[in-house]
Amino acid sequence: EDQVTQSPEALRLQEGESSSLNCSYTVSGLRGLFWYRQDPGKGPEFLFTLYSAGEEKEKERLKATLTKKESFLHITAPKPEDSATYLCAVRSTGGGNKLTFGTGTQLKVEL
Amino acid sequence: GAVVSQHPSWVICKSGTSVKIECRSLDFQATTMFWYRQFPKQSLMLMATSNEGSKATYEQGVEKDKFLINHASLTLSTLTVTSAHPEDSSFYICSARGVGGGDEQYFGPGTRLTVT
Repeated sequence: EDQVTQSPEALRLQEGESSSLNCSYTVSGLRGLFWYRQDPGKGPEFLFTLYSAGEEKEKERLKATLTKKESFLHITAPKPEDSATYLCAVRSTGGGNKLTFGTGTQLKVEL
Repeated sequence: GAVVSQHPSWVICKSGTSVKIECRSLDFQATTMFWYRQFPKQSLMLMATSNEGSKATYEQGVEKDKFLINHASLTLSTLTVTSAHPEDSSFYICSARGVGGGDEQYFGPGTRLTVT
């Protein structure tokens, strides 16, 4: 069974204080690892897809990296508007179209 | 691009009644749509996968007679919660994958269902 574990559960940063969120996964074979951002009361917003170890993707202050066991979402010089819950999900070779989600990291960036 | 809408955004209904939620892909055609349920501070749980013109595939433990899914066109899928009970109260979110698109699922804004 596919499993996704995200840490920490919650993270509070000062504006400009860079940090990383972790997503550890266990799958039979990885077909894709996805990062989403979710604001309260809204649906997830797609950020990145990573397919193979060593791959990196960047978007503004966010950078996602992937190894064979985990992914990191690096946030550089965050701003208050980056406050949200960040979700990680995996799609496996045995899972068809199904995405298995972690429980997310709730990020709060303060002035 | 890749915009998905849901209607209604919130609904309150009485126990025993049925509620229909619509999910539309606005600027792309979606061969596959997904329905998720999310409880407070918990992860998204996939309920079912629907392909246009086919019967939905339900995840283990999801009652297909209670959660009726119809995917009649490449831009519209509906979820009907039949004979709703308070324990069905939740945040329901749909997502869609495009025709010939990548692996990404694009999510709607969600529907908050409260059963009284």
